[in-house]
Amino acid sequence: DVKVTQSSRYLVKRTGEKVFLECVQDMDHENMFWYRQDPGLGLRLIYFSYDVKMKEKGDIPEGYSVSREKKERFSLILESASTNQTSMYLCASSLLGRGHEAFFGQGTRLTVV
Amino acid sequence: KNEVEQSPQNLTAQEGEFITINCSYSVGISALHWLQQHPGGGIVSLFMLSSGKKKHGRLIATINIQEKHSSLHITASHPRDSAVYICAVAALTGNQFYFGTGTSLTVIP
Repeated sequence: DVKVTQSSRYLVKRTGEKVFLECVQDMDHENMFWYRQDPGLGLRLIYFSYDVKMKEKGDIPEGYSVSREKKERFSLILESASTNQTSMYLCASSLLGRGHEAFFGQGTRLTVV
Repeated sequence: KNEVEQSPQNLTAQEGEFITINCSYSVGISALHWLQQHPGGGIVSLFMLSSGKKKHGRLIATINIQEKHSSLHITASHPRDSAVYICAVAALTGNQFYFGTGTSLTVIP
């Protein structure tokens, strides 16, 4: 009954590496989101996408990029990982429009050393 | 500026106690979500509300749109309810969500 799947639960990467976090949803949702969760700061939006090849910056896009080549898949890319990107990353999806239920992935805990 | 404020930030209760977590928001919304996150786990959606009240088992969620306030109640709390509870709102404009910083609940046997 899995609806939003993130490719990894835990990742450890070295500073400067290029990191890909993958998210796949099976509900044919238009909207997909990437959030970062840090203690005391809650969930903050990095990027979202409302259609294939469409993307919008969220509140903290610096140091990140995204790719949405297919409707079901939304990738978050760290071009050159840094230690301040150590965090929990959460993907979510929802139908386009207002008030629709959101579904969340299990999260990827990324540690950059 | 936080669009969504939750209280309390931390809560410890004895097993069996009635628990209330509050959420206030400052933006126009189309819906409000209550989410649960267990330690080391992902996020699960408990409720989506646009008006009134919903109940699932021992969990009850209410919303007052005029006062821009929602509450999550847990009756007869149990140690397995220990988790972080997050309030999130779907803004009227755009397709974004705003999140509270969460309430960390610990239920002691």
